[in-house]
Amino acid sequence: DVKVTQSSRYLVKRTGEKVFLECVQDMDHENMFWYRQDPGLGLRLIYFSYDVKMKEKGDIPEGYSVSREKKERFSLILESASTNQTSMYLCASSPVQEVETQYFGPGTRLLVL
Amino acid sequence: AQTVTQSQPEMSVQEAETVTLSCTYDTSESDYYLFWYKQPPSRQMILVIRQEAYKQQNATENRFSVNFQKAAKSFSLKISDSQLGDAAMYFCAYGGRTSYGKLTFGQGTILTVHP
Repeated sequence: DVKVTQSSRYLVKRTGEKVFLECVQDMDHENMFWYRQDPGLGLRLIYFSYDVKMKEKGDIPEGYSVSREKKERFSLILESASTNQTSMYLCASSPVQEVETQYFGPGTRLLVL
Repeated sequence: AQTVTQSQPEMSVQEAETVTLSCTYDTSESDYYLFWYKQPPSRQMILVIRQEAYKQQNATENRFSVNFQKAAKSFSLKISDSQLGDAAMYFCAYGGRTSYGKLTFGQGTILTVHP
């Protein structure tokens, strides 16, 4: 079974703090994705990566950056957290031979005070 | 840009009954995929069913089936013999074949199953 793990289930941070959300997958998938999930808005793509050290902006990249130094790990960085970044963050991965079928992590619920 | 719309924020069904969740999408592409994902409360999102646009036959996975109407850009999910474990948020998603696996999601539908 594909396993996608995220470093924290719940996180509370202060405005202005730098926040790191980590995602690790164990199935050697090439593609990895970061979404945020908000009520009434569904999932919105923040960034994705189709290879190590490669990254592409999604639909809402402002205020975020990412890092992919190893194939299995994809990090989402909030350089200076703001209250409007309070949300559920979901990581996903997919293999190159079936790129559209994504496997999700459990999510990190982030509260920025 | 592609859009996906789920017009039913909430639905409910009695155990053992059938329920249909609606989804419409907009795209100018001719080759794409459509998905239904399930997110149980406090649990991981999982793929329920997948449809390739070039296939006319509707996809089926056990009690889950879709009604794919390409001309109408409609992709509904039918759950037969509903079970308590089907209670979840359901997301419809669109993926273009040339989009590097990027998916566009709908707003989600919360399904409640009554015993």
